[in-house]
This record gives sequence, C-alpha cells and structure tokens, in this order.
Amino acid sequence: QSALTQPASVSGSPGQSITISCTGTSSDVGNYNNRVSWYQQPPGKAPQLIIHDVTSRPSGVSSRFSGSKSGNSASLTISGLQAEDEADYYCASHRSGNTYVFGTGTKVTVL
Amino acid sequence: QVQLVESGGGVVQPGRSLRLSCAASGFTFSHYAIHWFRQAPGKGLDWVATISYDGRITFYTDSVRGRFTISRDNSKSTLYLQMNSLRPEDTAVYYCAREPAATVGVPSFYFDYWGLGTLVTVSS
Repeated sequence: QSALTQPASVSGSPGQSITISCTGTSSDVGNYNNRVSWYQQPPGKAPQLIIHDVTSRPSGVSSRFSGSKSGNSASLTISGLQAEDEADYYCASHRSGNTYVFGTGTKVTVL
Repeated sequence: QVQLVESGGGVVQPGRSLRLSCAASGFTFSHYAIHWFRQAPGKGLDWVATISYDGRITFYTDSVRGRFTISRDNSKSTLYLQMNSLRPEDTAVYYCAREPAATVGVPSFYFDYWGLGTLVTVSS
C-alpha cells in the first residue's frame, strides 16, 4: 500500500505563504469523493486535524490554513506563516477497498 | 471535552502478544467508528485498523491482517487492539482516533480527535 507523495521539507519566512503538495492516484486523492484530509503534528505530539474533505476547516483551526485539489494531487497552503506553524504535516485519503493512506509527511520550517 | 487515552504499550519479544486499550470520554462512544494508527520512530503515520460504531464491521491494513484484532466494548467506552505474532517492524507509537459522524453509521473518512499514543517496542 504505497503512501501518498509529499515533499520532505518546505520552509518559509514569517508572514510568507507556503504550499505543500500531496500526490496520489485515481484510487485515492483523485477519487471524485474528495476524501482528503490534512493533519499537523508538532514535534513529540499527536496529530491534529486541520483540513477535511479537501477544503473544510474544523472549528478552531486558523483561517491561514486552506486546502485544494486538482486531479490526483491535493495541496495545503499556509498563509502568513508563523513560528507556531513549525511541525510535520501529513495528508491522508480514503482509498478504494475501505483502507486509508497517508502522505510521506512534510517538515515545515519557519526561517 | 473529548478525550482518548491509549494504554498497554511496552517492550515485547518477537512472536509474543500485546493488547492495547483506548479509553474514551466526553462523547457518546457507541455512536462513532474508531481507528488505530501507528508511527514508527522517525517515520510517518500509517493506518492500522478500523471498527464501526457497533463493532460489526472491521478493516485492516494488509501487514497486520490475521495477526491483529480490533474490538470495542461500548459499555466501557473502550477500544482494543489485540496484537499477536508481533514483529520488530510493528515497533511504533500506536494512536487511536475518532471518526466524526453527523449521522450514526455514516462515515466521514477523516479523524477529528486523537489520543496521545502508546509506544510498542518489539525487540529481543
């Protein structure tokens, strides 16, 4: 069960915007059901949901986080980058066959 | 507030068994599907298993099917993961997480609350 592909690391200065890509296949990310979610994992902590259903943001999550999708790839954009955004970020998708697959993970560094 | 607390991790020899628990509070446990995930040291997240709100439906990732069993006791608001024939590659932090449900039994396909995890180390 191959993982979704994410860049290993992305960095930016405070206030900048960064985008993390997540590439899968037509069996997961590219599925018309839009079952893509994103999770933030600070060092040594548990994952936290930040985006679900490609673009939806749970209550309490900053509006600086936004999601999108095109074809077999999804993206997470963090606008107005802040020091507190330093963490690992994972995309996830439901996959045909009632399984779930995560991305390889992206380490975000605020310069 | 919603809480999920994993327990039962530890050091175990290859081939032995271990049972993890996930105690839930702050919500109606019997209304939600729950999942187990794991994260090997320094690695990414992996989905392990899913159980439906009523315990009747389960799914597993290929690498644990036949060795691990997910179950739940809704009267105790507790989820379990029975892990048999453990291998060194099963070494990881194991997390439980809730799948939200606007309607009981209708999946949402994402995970809104996670526990802090419990570490399982398989080593001789």
